[in-house]
Amino acid sequence: DAKTTQPTSMDCAEGRAANLPCNHSTISGNEYVYWYRQIHSQGPQYIIHGLKNNETNEMASLIITEDRKSSTLILPHATLRDTAVYYCIVRVKDSNYQLIWGAGTKLIIKP
Amino acid sequence: SAVISQKPSRDICQRGTSLTIQCQVDSQVTMMFWYRQQPGQSLTLIATANQGSEATYESGFVIDKFPISRPNLTFSTLTVSNMSPEDSSIYLCSAGGGANTGELFFGEGSRLTVL
Repeated sequence: DAKTTQPTSMDCAEGRAANLPCNHSTISGNEYVYWYRQIHSQGPQYIIHGLKNNETNEMASLIITEDRKSSTLILPHATLRDTAVYYCIVRVKDSNYQLIWGAGTKLIIKP
Repeated sequence: SAVISQKPSRDICQRGTSLTIQCQVDSQVTMMFWYRQQPGQSLTLIATANQGSEATYESGFVIDKFPISRPNLTFSTLTVSNMSPEDSSIYLCSAGGGANTGELFFGEGSRLTVL
């Protein structure tokens, strides 16, 4: 079973920040939070990952709560091309590459 | 990041035949995996492709149905044997454990339709 819980779907207006929540209440101390997305008819794409500190890269920011039981992926200025299914996954870095995929969040960016 | 190429990108096959999907990575990677994604569903891991030894299959998947090869660190194949319409799906190759440890990269998938 997936170790994360995400909303089934979300809408966001183009140009606004998209905030995608993820609950991972059973996360272990050595497990990282990874985010991937899958645009229609493409393979999943890595976005970002983090352990306990907030992380930012050119695609997104990852905010992890202090107790590490939940996190939020932020796309700061969503575009129509960000419409995709977003997957939140927890795993031990450099091991356990057999990711367990939940249903993800279908994010629809509206013009 | 690693670039993963899959062939074929799509195919339409007849019931009872077999199809082999190829996966090529542009750099050496430690781990390679095969996933299945049925229409509208999330990804399900089929097996871990082990270099030089038999693949490790997940529950519900067997070697006779999904034989896998991995002759080196950059290449793997998945065969879908004796296909039925229920095998219609997207098959995805993924790889990790290379220079960018921690990340898992995916091919674009092979869309298989069985008539």
